[in-house]
Amino acid sequence: GAVVSQHPSWVICKSGTSVKIECRSLDFQATTMFWYRQFPKQSLMLMATSNEGSKATYEQGVEKDKFLINHASLTLSTLTVTSAHPEDSSFYICSARRGLAVNNEQFFGPGTRLTVL
Amino acid sequence: GESVGLHLPTLSVQEGDNSIINCAYSNSASDYFIWYKQESGKGPQFIIDIRSNMDKRQGQRVTVLLNKTVKHLSLQIAATQPGDSAVYFCAENNAGNMLTFGGGTRLMVKP
Repeated sequence: GAVVSQHPSWVICKSGTSVKIECRSLDFQATTMFWYRQFPKQSLMLMATSNEGSKATYEQGVEKDKFLINHASLTLSTLTVTSAHPEDSSFYICSARRGLAVNNEQFFGPGTRLTVL
Repeated sequence: GESVGLHLPTLSVQEGDNSIINCAYSNSASDYFIWYKQESGKGPQFIIDIRSNMDKRQGQRVTVLLNKTVKHLSLQIAATQPGDSAVYFCAENNAGNMLTFGGGTRLMVKP
């Protein structure tokens, strides 16, 4: 099957620091990866769409300068939360779409829990 | 704006019973729908999908029904087991070719 990993699984950081989260497609190439944020007892909210070799597309209300996304290869996308604050504490989930067809299944990573003190 | 399933209700069922989880969507342009299962602290897990040219699709113990007339999607789980306890989300692939998730339903299976 298609496996997507995330690293780290959880991270605790101090307010004002930056945190990088990695999303990897382990056994397939992903032209497109997606970053979601999920607050407790809520649904997944799409933050941005990450395309390999180009700039990410951010959803309305998501600050691109705060949530830096880099998709440097077909198997790796990174999300950096810059100058993190307690309100950024959340569960961050990535997904990767295999192939180019827009209706191709997205495979989700296990998520990264970020806690900002 | 258009959205999918705005609530996070809880469905409690007895082990062995059938479960039905519902989802309403409002984007008539959506042509592809997916059900995901999410266990606590984990990412969503694909269960079953259906395209808009179908009304019903069956998998192992699961069936998805799509009613485009009333923009309604349902997930039926046969012989529900304790391992089915999780939050279930429907998602639609909209005209922007992105997934929009519904609010989710928590399924609790009583042994």
